[in-house]
Amino acid sequence: NAGVTQTPKFRVLKTGQSMTLLCAQDMNHEYMYWYRQDPGMGLRLIHYSVGEGTTAKGEVPDGYNVSRLKKQNFLLGLESAAPSQTSVYFCASRPAGGATGELFFGEGSRLTVL
Amino acid sequence: TQLLEQSPQFLSIQEGENLTVYCNSSSVFSSLQWYRQEPGEGPVLLVTVVTGGEVKKLKRLTFQFGDARKDSSLHITAAQPGDTGLYLCAPRRQNDYKLSFGAGTTVTVRA
Repeated sequence: NAGVTQTPKFRVLKTGQSMTLLCAQDMNHEYMYWYRQDPGMGLRLIHYSVGEGTTAKGEVPDGYNVSRLKKQNFLLGLESAAPSQTSVYFCASRPAGGATGELFFGEGSRLTVL
Repeated sequence: TQLLEQSPQFLSIQEGENLTVYCNSSSVFSSLQWYRQEPGEGPVLLVTVVTGGEVKKLKRLTFQFGDARKDSSLHITAAQPGDTGLYLCAPRRQNDYKLSFGAGTTVTVRA
């Protein structure tokens, strides 16, 4: 059972380059999330989606775009990478419903922007 | 924006000792979740507390939700090296899709 899969796991970019992180979940979850994690700052929500074709901004959306064309996939794009976007990115999903639903996380994608 | 504080930020103890970490806020929540994250992995849910004053036990871990549902604590008895990790609290509001997390407490248990 794969759960939540993120690709790639590691990437190094130069400032100004673009890239896309892919998140795929096989649990038929409605809700999907992208977080970034930096030392001492926990997990900060970038964007989220409550269903196919819908996306919304989280706490730190600037510099990122997302798309949810298929229910099982949630893409995070960086159009022009900056060193401040060096971070570990986590995707998560959960079923629709109340606020007590468990979040299932991927293993993370470590991005370095030089 | 809710103010959420986890304390302490870092905790290093010897195997066999007890520890408590805290999650405090000025807001009232419908529920609260605790996650543990091990190095190189994503967070994993430990527990969800829903009722004010609720106490849940998971082996050597005891979780408590404050009576006013504004705070929570996690107590570990006789800590083991396997308890090492980042402990994150995640308060929840009903119908709130934006799921946020505290900054976490990094726990290191030395053998």
